[in-house]
Amino acid sequence: ETGVTQTPRHLVMGMTNKKSLKCEQHLGHNAMYWYKQSAKKPLELMFVYNFKEQTENNSVPSRFSPECPNSSHLFLHLHTLQPEDSALYLCASSQGWSGGTDTQYFGPGTRLTVL
Amino acid sequence: EDQVTQSPEALRLQEGESSSLNCSYTVSGLRGLFWYRQDPGKGPEFLFTLYSAGEEKEKERLKATLTKKESFLHITAPKPEDSATYLCAVQELEGANNLFFGTGTRLTVIP
Repeated sequence: ETGVTQTPRHLVMGMTNKKSLKCEQHLGHNAMYWYKQSAKKPLELMFVYNFKEQTENNSVPSRFSPECPNSSHLFLHLHTLQPEDSALYLCASSQGWSGGTDTQYFGPGTRLTVL
Repeated sequence: EDQVTQSPEALRLQEGESSSLNCSYTVSGLRGLFWYRQDPGKGPEFLFTLYSAGEEKEKERLKATLTKKESFLHITAPKPEDSATYLCAVQELEGANNLFFGTGTRLTVIP
């Protein structure tokens, strides 16, 4: 595997279900991100982890719970979601804080549908 | 608050018909401006980073330019495989490495 991978690619869940999204990066990066992409909206940053520490939580509802066990893996745990949470969830990674520009590389995304 | 505006929202071109996409931005200080390409159902693919006004970068039929207020993505003699959504994002000089994205331009190149 190369780059950033995400599983599953598609997920349909009911509002009472609990599921998890997984992201893995094979780039040796130190920072990982979760984004939400909805139609006609800019990508919305949800969470940022630098060296396994959460450095940003962009006012995300508690029904989304991130987990970063190491610099290569990132999870997004989902529970009691709402239909408006249906979107493409993107994971990205970057080298991490360096004082210079920090390019983010994205995974293919998980298309989530909440019924 | 930082703002990135992309125009047009959608663009249809005949194969071989050159054009430009615009990305206007307002930040307190720019660390970098990024262009990504996104195909339907896929994640954004990194294209370019621009750092300072006057800078240009090229890749095949694409050329990105930067001024103090906007960036252009010029597409020369496009082909149908160039059809995608092109996203612009800025990274602020101060603070974290977060990217602020525009809503993108959806490009369709007709054979």
